[in-house]
This record gives sequence, structure tokens and C-alpha cells, in this order.
Amino acid sequence: GAGVSQSPSNKVTEKGKDVELRCDPISGHTALYWYRQSLGQGLEFLIYFQGNSAPDKSGLPSDRFSAERTGGSVSTLTIQRTQQEDSAVYLCASSSTGGLTEAFFGQGTRLTVV
Amino acid sequence: AQTVTQSQPEMSVQEAETVTLSCTYDTSESDYYLFWYKQPPSRQMILVIRQEAYKQQNATENRFSVNFQKAAKSFSLKISDSQLGDAAMYFCAYRVFGNEKLTFGTGTRLTIIP
Repeated sequence: GAGVSQSPSNKVTEKGKDVELRCDPISGHTALYWYRQSLGQGLEFLIYFQGNSAPDKSGLPSDRFSAERTGGSVSTLTIQRTQQEDSAVYLCASSSTGGLTEAFFGQGTRLTVV
Repeated sequence: AQTVTQSQPEMSVQEAETVTLSCTYDTSESDYYLFWYKQPPSRQMILVIRQEAYKQQNATENRFSVNFQKAAKSFSLKISDSQLGDAAMYFCAYRVFGNEKLTFGTGTRLTIIP
């Protein structure tokens, strides 16, 4: 696609429910990142995928959070048993390589847990 | 741990004037990259400018330039001839050579006064 696509754009869920957020990166990009942006905060790193290497999960805040990337393309971030503090904008980005290469971001999914 | 600090939560500038956004970072690494991203209300992060730490020359992109002071670990963004379209959140970010994780500051909200 022309850019990084995320769905849904907005998601409202009840506390305790599971949610899945999807990210479709730019075709050919080997690196994919998930970030969380809470209100008034910067971007908090969650997880990073690079090609076929094991993902860097060091930013996942708890074991309720998991992510996978199928076929080196689409990624799904899953939050189980959602809590109100999970409410945030979840941003996905992709890039061709690291270093000075630009990371392209999607428009994010705004998750609201009620 | 690497941290990125943006000490100005909000800034404002008259249209056509110049404004400087500050960013400092803390690292023990010698080889790294620095970025400024813009986030308009659409939420999509857009790369404004980037700098390699080993380059002494400050990066410039049209009306945007940086003042990179490696010894002081400072990376400020100067916007010249400010335009209404420059109104957005601006995030400073840092990445270590060989590590794909982008670490972001908490952002500065820039308002352009017509």
C-alpha cells in the first residue's frame, strides 16, 4: 500500500474484554514497530519486529499484551482483559532498515476502555 | 537507559517568525541518530529532520534546521518563517546505532498565532 494502514481507527471496549489491533506496513518494509501514546505523553515503545528475527518485546507492559507478525507483513497487537489504563493511541510504524532510515507511521488506533 | 527530554510542553510563535524547540538526551553511546517528528491532529507522525551523531554539520530541510551540540547532548529544532501548517506536536527521538528502538521525548505543542 501507499502507507502504513491501521485498523480500526477507533475502538471502544468494555473493561475485561480482549482487543486486536491491526497494522499493515508498507510493502517491502522489514522492520515493524508498535508504540503506545497515552494522553499528554510521548511515545512508549512496545515491540519491534525485524525480518525473521525474534521480536524485541522489551517494551510490552505486561503479559496481557502480545503481538505477532504473520508472513513478515501484517501485524496484530492483542491486549487481553483490557483495563482502563490501557486507553491510549496505539501507533504502528515500519521501515526498510534501521539507522537513519525513516520510520513511517500509521494514523494509529485510539483505544478507549470503559 | 537512554532518555529524551523536551522541557517545553507548549510553545507559541507569530506567523512568519522563528521559533526554537529544545531537546536534550542522555546516553553513553557515541554512535546514534536523532530525529524530529511532527504529529498534526491527524495523529500521523511525520519525519521533519534527522541527524547522524558523527556528523558535525547541522542538518537543514528547507525552513527547518537543527542545532546539534554533541558534547552538551542537545538537539534543538529551529523553524524559520513559521506557517499556520506548522502547528502540531513535535517530538524529538533518538536511536542507537545497531538498535532499532526509537526513544521519544514527551513532545512540545506548537501553536502558530496568525
